[in-house]
Amino acid sequence: QVQLQQSGPGLVKPSQTLSLTCAISGDSVSSDRHAWNWIRQSPSRGLEWLGRTYYRSKWFYDYARSVKGRVAIIPDTSKNQFSLQLTSVTPEDTAVYYCSRGAVGWFDPWGQGSLVTVSS
Amino acid sequence: QSALTQPAAVSGAPGQSITISCTGTSSDVGSYNLVSWYRQHPGKAPNVIIYEDIKRPSGVSDRFSGSKSGNTASLTISGLQAEDEADYFCCSHTRSDTWVFGGGTKVTVL
Repeated sequence: QVQLQQSGPGLVKPSQTLSLTCAISGDSVSSDRHAWNWIRQSPSRGLEWLGRTYYRSKWFYDYARSVKGRVAIIPDTSKNQFSLQLTSVTPEDTAVYYCSRGAVGWFDPWGQGSLVTVSS
Repeated sequence: QSALTQPAAVSGAPGQSITISCTGTSSDVGSYNLVSWYRQHPGKAPNVIIYEDIKRPSGVSDRFSGSKSGNTASLTISGLQAEDEADYFCCSHTRSDTWVFGGGTKVTVL
């Protein structure tokens, strides 16, 4: 059974970088069948897909237009995990952040969620 | 990319059927057979209940069914039960090779 365990700070100051990690058990970040996604949820923006990485002979990355230029999703094959980095954060980036495995047409499973508050 | 449109709330009595709509555009819902539905209980992560418009993952009750017509997808819950009280979200792949979610529908069992 695949499980995703998230970790990272719950408080980030404005203009700094938000960093979260998602550790994978039961699957591989280098899987040629799945993609590894970050999704966030806030009362004002609802559920918002942020981006994904996946391996098909080489690494691919796709990002949402809303955060492009500020976001990076980084795979770590040595630790079988992937990370989210979001730079220049503002209070608008306050949300619950989820990692999730993606197959064709669906996201499953999801991590437990990480509430990240952007505040000085 | 604008969020998909869902009704804010739907309610029904136990045993009844309800349907939640999810309206997008020809650039997302209408483009591919890649609409999925998720159920989310308070304080929990979403769980997939329908994928590829109409398919049900193993272990999901057959009381849940999906359909689609043009740019509108629908989720029907039949034989409504107390445990079905939750938030429901639709999601679609887009022509930009990204994903877009609906605003969510709160289901209340009367």
